[in-house]
Amino acid sequence: DIQMTQSPSSLSASVGDRVTITCRASQSISSYLNWYQQKPGKAPKVLIYGASSLQSGVPSRFSGSGSGTDFTLTISSLQPEDSATYYCQQSYSTPRTFGQGTKVEIK
Amino acid sequence: EVQLVESGGDLVQPGGSLRLSCAASGFTFSRYELNWVRQAPGKGLEWLSYISTSGSNTYYADSVRGRFTISRDNAKNSLYLQMHSLRAEDTALYYCAREEKMASDAFDLWGQGTVVTVSS
Repeated sequence: DIQMTQSPSSLSASVGDRVTITCRASQSISSYLNWYQQKPGKAPKVLIYGASSLQSGVPSRFSGSGSGTDFTLTISSLQPEDSATYYCQQSYSTPRTFGQGTKVEIK
Repeated sequence: EVQLVESGGDLVQPGGSLRLSCAASGFTFSRYELNWVRQAPGKGLEWLSYISTSGSNTYYADSVRGRFTISRDNAKNSLYLQMHSLRAEDTALYYCAREEKMASDAFDLWGQGTVVTVSS
């Protein structure tokens, strides 16, 4: 099974800050990497698919990059509504493993 | 409206069984591969199971293989998860999720979840 490791597990940043979350796969997954946002009491929502493609309706301050084993989710200018937990997920093979999550808080 | 709606969650005793359902609407159900994902209280997302469009191919996480069975009825636009030999560690919010081939197989549509509690 492919293991997905996110870092950091949590972070606190101010409105307007640039925030970066990393995700590492235990083996190459090409660009089959997706990012999800989950707010308390809500289902996850896909933000980025295929490592760098922005899902329709998602603000352009979210971006993704990487390929192979190392990936990054960037929020270019953090907004109050971005307070959430973010998960990476590989869709290269089954099981479709998720990272452990990164909780983003607003200072 | 394009949506998935789970149901069937309940309080069940250890060793018991439960069948979850996921009703789809607003899209051509038979064209999509589907998954079950769960989230234990205060924990992260755990992928559980996958089913192909026809139902002929299924996959399971090691944690549920042999105890859970995924199935679908394309005529009823419904996905199911039959759960047996339930354990306390199966307590979680269970989501069904649609996989989008055109989006690198990302889970682009989720239900609101249904709660399963395993306790005596």
